[in-house]
Amino acid sequence: AQKVTQAQTEISVVEKEDVTLDCVYETRDTTYYLFWYKQPPSGELVFLIRRNSFDEQNEISGRYSWNFQKSTSSFNFTITASQVVDSAVYFCALQFTQGGSEKLVFGKGTKLTVNP
Amino acid sequence: DTGVSQDPRHKITKRGQNVTFRCDPISEHNRLYWYRQTLGQGPEFLTYFQNEAQLEKSRLLSDRFSAERPKGSFSTLEIQRTEQGDSAMYLCASSYGQPYGYTFGSGTRLTVV
Repeated sequence: AQKVTQAQTEISVVEKEDVTLDCVYETRDTTYYLFWYKQPPSGELVFLIRRNSFDEQNEISGRYSWNFQKSTSSFNFTITASQVVDSAVYFCALQFTQGGSEKLVFGKGTKLTVNP
Repeated sequence: DTGVSQDPRHKITKRGQNVTFRCDPISEHNRLYWYRQTLGQGPEFLTYFQNEAQLEKSRLLSDRFSAERPKGSFSTLEIQRTEQGDSAMYLCASSYGQPYGYTFGSGTRLTVV
């Protein structure tokens, strides 16, 4: 079964703190993709990153960084020096590729509140 | 590139009525997806099209739900005989297909009273 678990329901930090959002996934596929999306209060899901299962290299984009570890089936997301504009719900998602399916399986999301 | 457009943004309907939502994908994208998101949950897959062909449907898509994508352009999602449990955000997304990510629209929020 394909499953994504985001154990942190809500996180509250003060501006400039670093924060890590956890994501653990389950899949039997050897080829899959992992995603992070941001959903601000406006409701639109904003794509942040895609990572394929063969690429375990960590990635940094500005204040954002992602740590992919196949050994622990985790794909964690860190925001450095958080800002109020980072307040949103963040979703981790898994896309498996076998059988021609293209659907994304999402976690329940982590609501991040960054206080000034 | 004007993004993915969904119409209407909000819909309030009485239980038992039929509703139809429209999605206009990014014009170059041949894949179109529908998801449903309830409060406090992540989006759940409903169905997807490659061009005009509906290639996958979730078991969530009961007989009361139907989706179409005539001519492989815009898509409509119709819910017949709405129930209170249908209240949710209905999200549309489009893509070029794997390995590319989706671009989501802003969604249609349905409230069934």
